Amino acid sequence: GAGVSQSPRYKVAKRGQDVALRCDPISGHVSLFWYQQALGQGPEFLTYFQNEAQLDKSGLPSDRFFAERPEGSVSTLKIQRTQQEDSAVYLCASSLEGGGYTFGSGTRLTVV
Amino acid sequence: GDSVTQMEGPVTLSEEAFLTINCTYTATGYPSLFWYVQYPGEGLQLLLKATKADDKGSNKGFEATYRKETTSFHLEKGSVQVSDSAVYFCALSGSNSGYALNFGKGTSLLVTP
Repeated sequence: GAGVSQSPRYKVAKRGQDVALRCDPISGHVSLFWYQQALGQGPEFLTYFQNEAQLDKSGLPSDRFFAERPEGSVSTLKIQRTQQEDSAVYLCASSLEGGGYTFGSGTRLTVV
Repeated sequence: GDSVTQMEGPVTLSEEAFLTINCTYTATGYPSLFWYVQYPGEGLQLLLKATKADDKGSNKGFEATYRKETTSFHLEKGSVQVSDSAVYFCALSGSNSGYALNFGKGTSLLVTP
């Protein structure tokens, strides 16, 4: 597609629910990144894929967070047993190797 | 580790005023530096970048110069417009952070007619 597409745009989850956030990167982009942006803060790195390989997951805040990109294109960020502190905007970005990032519009997750 | 500090907002300016948003960084080696902009309801967009010392990035009337001696990358525009109202993020990508971007907290700019 023309840009990075994320869905859903908004998600409200009850505390303890599992959620799955989808990212559809620009076709042909090798690298894919997930960031978490809390209200009033800058985005914080979560994890990075190169094709289907997850090369860095050092930013994932806990073992409740899990990301995958099984065929090297679409990626899913899964959060198990959501907590209130997980409320944030989750941003996905993709790039050609060594190239500039293109960000999606994000998924705003609210845990109630 | 690598980090970015930018001036806190909100910044409120009248149309056609001069804009400066300060950004300083801490990093080992030679990071690349970026300014991203986030318009209301939209995703982050790359505004400009610089990859080595003394480089000047520019776009849409905005400029920033990579100053290694002062570890700074201040964003400037000579005459702001109402349409420039947005949140601006300074970011770096360095050897410590590898390929990941390390963002500042963002500076909200409001330009009034």
